Amino acid sequence: SQQGEEDPQALSIQEGENATMNCSYKTSINNLQWYRQNSGRGLVHLILIRSNEREKHSGRLRVTLDTSKKSSSLLITASRAADTASYFCATAPYNQGGKLIFGQGTELSVKP
Amino acid sequence: DAGVIQSPRHEVTEMGQEVTLRCKPISGHDYLFWYRQTMMRGLELLIYFNNNVPIDDSGMPEDRFSAKMPNASFSTLKIQPSEPRDSAVYFCASAPSTSGLRGNTEAFFGQGTRLTVV
Repeated sequence: SQQGEEDPQALSIQEGENATMNCSYKTSINNLQWYRQNSGRGLVHLILIRSNEREKHSGRLRVTLDTSKKSSSLLITASRAADTASYFCATAPYNQGGKLIFGQGTELSVKP
Repeated sequence: DAGVIQSPRHEVTEMGQEVTLRCKPISGHDYLFWYRQTMMRGLELLIYFNNNVPIDDSGMPEDRFSAKMPNASFSTLKIQPSEPRDSAVYFCASAPSTSGLRGNTEAFFGQGTRLTVV
């Protein structure tokens, strides 16, 4: 069964704007990860945030985690046309070893 | 390292035929995952291995699906007999070992096998 649900399913913005994607999950986790998928390609890891962390940055990416609400958000600042892709959150459920479960994804379109 | 290598990249087969998908994980990675991606169901975890041992196969849809990992550098996902509803992109991913309950680190994905069953 799917652990994570993402919102929105699709997002269309102009270049230079910020894009925010949200992820909610159901059970306790060890960590939460965000991945990117370009059309027809495999997924690429972007960032990992552990359950004891609240915020993490990597370049133009900012991830927050609220374990009390079982939710996370991914913010891409100053978006570029090259950021157009699908973005997935993935959770590593607590006490389930290395299991990694993905959400349905958000399709981001950045228009030049 | 060349990354996770999957073969074939594309497979078209007739209903009822056996299909075998192959995966070579990144050397030194202890975890191997098989996922299936469709528009309707998204990215589903089918099965994952740790040190060549299947840990959780609860996502395998039916007995027609089977997966093996005979050694640390090779895994197969077999569908026998195949059906049109098995059409999807199948991804293999590998990840380094974890430190117990602290959870895994990032997973590295192959380019996927696009399976079409007609």
